Amino acid sequence: GENVEQHPSTLSVQEGDSAVIKCTYSDSASNYFPWYKQELGKRPQLIIDIRSNVGEKKDQRIAVTLNKTAKHFSLHITETQPEDSAVYFCAPSGNTGKLIFGQGTTLQVKP
Amino acid sequence: DGGITQSPKYLFRKEGQNVTLSCEQNLNHDAMYWYRQDPGQGLRLIYYSQIVNDFQKGDIAEGYSVSREKKESFPLTVTSAQKNPTAFYLCASSRRGTGLSYNEQFFGPGTRLTVL
Repeated sequence: GENVEQHPSTLSVQEGDSAVIKCTYSDSASNYFPWYKQELGKRPQLIIDIRSNVGEKKDQRIAVTLNKTAKHFSLHITETQPEDSAVYFCAPSGNTGKLIFGQGTTLQVKP
Repeated sequence: DGGITQSPKYLFRKEGQNVTLSCEQNLNHDAMYWYRQDPGQGLRLIYYSQIVNDFQKGDIAEGYSVSREKKESFPLTVTSAQKNPTAFYLCASSRRGTGLSYNEQFFGPGTRLTVL
């Protein structure tokens, strides 16, 4: 089956710094690349996504970059704030519509 | 947020009992999914359905069963055959099924199942 790996598994930054989380996948047919944020005890919520025909997408402080050749995509958060503290999941998907979730990255933003 | 509901929020069951988790959506989505999340881990797919009266096994279907008699409903039964059912269960839905170019999934609030 498809293999999805996230790095790092935990990330601690000072408020105002940037954070980068990388997701590597194995299925070359993957064509949809979302990032979800999950706060403790809550449901995952989509924060940004990108499709295979685009290399980068930005939404305010959040951006996603895609390298299809190398089969990885990354989440970039700039000017981090304490409310960014959560677990972040990548979940690449192919034509089946199934999302394959990574193991998650716990981001801690220290005030 | 709104559009997908799960009930109950917390559920306690004795060993050997079957229990059914409810998932309803009013987003007119064709596809629905059930995931299991264990502490400190990602989401694992149990079952999914891309159309009414049809569903497929995910990666960890053993000990679970589903039905999809209506577009808006996708209940999950955790049977006594599931050896370690204590977990957080999340239901999701998306706009379309196979052959998608757009796969955003919207999640319900989850049901936390504890086996006593």
